[in-house]
Amino acid sequence: GENVEQHPSTLSVQEGDSAVIKCTYSDSASNYFPWYKQELGKRPQLIIDIRSNVGEKKDQRIAVTLNKTAKHFSLHITETQPEDSAVYFCAARGTGTASKLTFGTGTRLQVTL
Amino acid sequence: EPEVTQTPSHQVTQMGQEVILRCVPISNHLYFYWYRQILGQKVEFLVSFYNNEISEKSEIFDDQFSVERPDGSNFTLKIRSTKLEDSAMYFCASNTWETQYFGPGTRLLVL
Repeated sequence: GENVEQHPSTLSVQEGDSAVIKCTYSDSASNYFPWYKQELGKRPQLIIDIRSNVGEKKDQRIAVTLNKTAKHFSLHITETQPEDSAVYFCAARGTGTASKLTFGTGTRLQVTL
Repeated sequence: EPEVTQTPSHQVTQMGQEVILRCVPISNHLYFYWYRQILGQKVEFLVSFYNNEISEKSEIFDDQFSVERPDGSNFTLKIRSTKLEDSAMYFCASNTWETQYFGPGTRLLVL
């Protein structure tokens, strides 16, 4: 089955700096890659996603890149703010709308003043 | 904006007891899921459900677990005889297209 690796497990940046979180996946059939932000005790919230036919997607300060050949994708957050502090999970989904999400192990991002 | 809802938010139970976790998916969604998250760990898939039957289940989803959509709105997860290791946050999710929307979770504590 699918296996998703995520790095780093923790990341501390100063406010205004950029943060990059990287994930790799194992199943070349996976075709949808969402990123979720989870604040303490809360539900995972989708922040951005990318499909396998796209190499890059941007939404304001957040961008995601996908390299299908290497089977890795990354989350980029620019101009970080304290409210970006949370745990971020990448995920991969196989073919089919009903397919499960396989999550990475999470990255705890701390944005310091 | 419609959201997935779950009840209860917290559940404490004794080992060996049955628990039922309830979810109301977004109304026009067709696919439903249960995931769990042990404290400090990643979100793990349990089961997916479509057209009134299980589409896929993980190794975690053994005979102690069952799911049901008893009416047009609710989606339930039953754990027949809880174990200590079932303590976790249980998330329900639903989707029609690609994006899965998660409920707020039920924190289950088995003593």
